Amino acid sequence: NAGVTQTPKFQVLKTGQSMTLQCAQDMNHNSMYWYRQDPGMGLRLIYYSASEGTTDKGEVPNGYNVSRLNKREFSLRLESAAPSQTSVYFCASSEGGGPSYEQYFGPGTRLTVT
Amino acid sequence: ELKVEQNPLFLSMQEGKNYTIYCNYSTTSDRLYWYRQDPGKSLESLFVLLSNGAVKQEGRLMASLDTKARLSTLHITAAVHDLSATYFCAVAPGYFNKFYFGSGTKLNVKP
Repeated sequence: NAGVTQTPKFQVLKTGQSMTLQCAQDMNHNSMYWYRQDPGMGLRLIYYSASEGTTDKGEVPNGYNVSRLNKREFSLRLESAAPSQTSVYFCASSEGGGPSYEQYFGPGTRLTVT
Repeated sequence: ELKVEQNPLFLSMQEGKNYTIYCNYSTTSDRLYWYRQDPGKSLESLFVLLSNGAVKQEGRLMASLDTKARLSTLHITAAVHDLSATYFCAVAPGYFNKFYFGSGTKLNVKP
């Protein structure tokens, strides 16, 4: 099992460009999440998907959109990148209904917007 | 607004010493999680605490949860250099599994 995978690992964008971050999990989890991590801060939730076909905003959704393509895949789109979106982005998944609700994290995507 | 506060934010300690990291949170939550993050890496799950009074231990790390005080502790016993990392706590109040993270404690264990 690969667990949670993310592509790309690194990306540099110019202000105003768009891109999509891809995330996939092979653990048959119902719930998936996108976080951003900025220096000196913990992770902040951008969007989440409780189950296939549903998405909801987290703490910091502005400037982002998401798509839950199927049970395995959850993508994050930046329509018009801004320097404030320079961050490390983590995708995570969880069963969503099990007793421990543990989240499993992908390796991260390091995004720089110039 | 839910807040999760960790202290200290930075901790430099000698090998062999003991220390405790504290995690306070501002809302009711029966579930608390501890993660470890090495530089440039993802988060690795350490402990999942699911009830008041829960205590879990793994090697030199022991985590506990007091839901009435809204406090969790991560105790380090006889620290070794390999424990150097950033440690995060997170709570997931309510029905759905939305995590709220603390800012992290960066631990440096000096030989």
